[in-house]
Amino acid sequence: SQQGEEDPQALSIQEGENATMNCSYKTSINNLQWYRQNSGRGLVHLILIRSNEREKHSGRLRVTLDTSKKSSSLLITASRAADTASYFCATDDGNQFYFGTGTSLTVIP
Amino acid sequence: GAGVSQSPRYKVTKRGQDVALRCDPISGHVSLYWYRQALGQGPEFLTYFNYEAQQDKSGLPNDRFSAERPEGSISTLTIQRTEQRDSAMYRCASSLGQGRSGNTIYFGEGSWLTVV
Repeated sequence: SQQGEEDPQALSIQEGENATMNCSYKTSINNLQWYRQNSGRGLVHLILIRSNEREKHSGRLRVTLDTSKKSSSLLITASRAADTASYFCATDDGNQFYFGTGTSLTVIP
Repeated sequence: GAGVSQSPRYKVTKRGQDVALRCDPISGHVSLYWYRQALGQGPEFLTYFNYEAQQDKSGLPNDRFSAERPEGSISTLTIQRTEQRDSAMYRCASSLGQGRSGNTIYFGEGSWLTVV
């Protein structure tokens, strides 16, 4: 079964705007990762945040992790049409990687 | 190879037939994972290997599904007596280290299976 739950399920924004998507999970984790999936394509790893980290940046991506609330957020700043994809969080509890159902992001040029 | 390679990319089979899906992980990666992804859903864990040893197969839906990695590199996921509900994208992934904690897993493009 899948542990992560992304919110919202779908998001549509104008190019240049920021996009925020959230992930909630149920059990203790070692780390949390975000992946992007372009339509019908493979999953691309974006960023990993460990359980003892609260925030991490990579280019236009900013990830936060709140282990007390068992939630994470992914912020994409200055969005581009090429950011259109599905975004998944994956939690690592030391035994398995669990993926959520994903957020479908559409960036309108 | 440069990335995780899966074959075939697309497979259409008749109900009741057996299918074998192949995964060639990134060279040197110790761990190999199989996931299944239905349309509009996230990847669902099936099984994983460290080297040739199958560490966890708790995600395999039933005994028609099996996987092997005999030499610790290429892996085959076999589905026997396929059913229409087996239709999905089957994804393979690999990671450098043993176990999962802190390892980035790299996915292949997947194998689309359609059972008619």
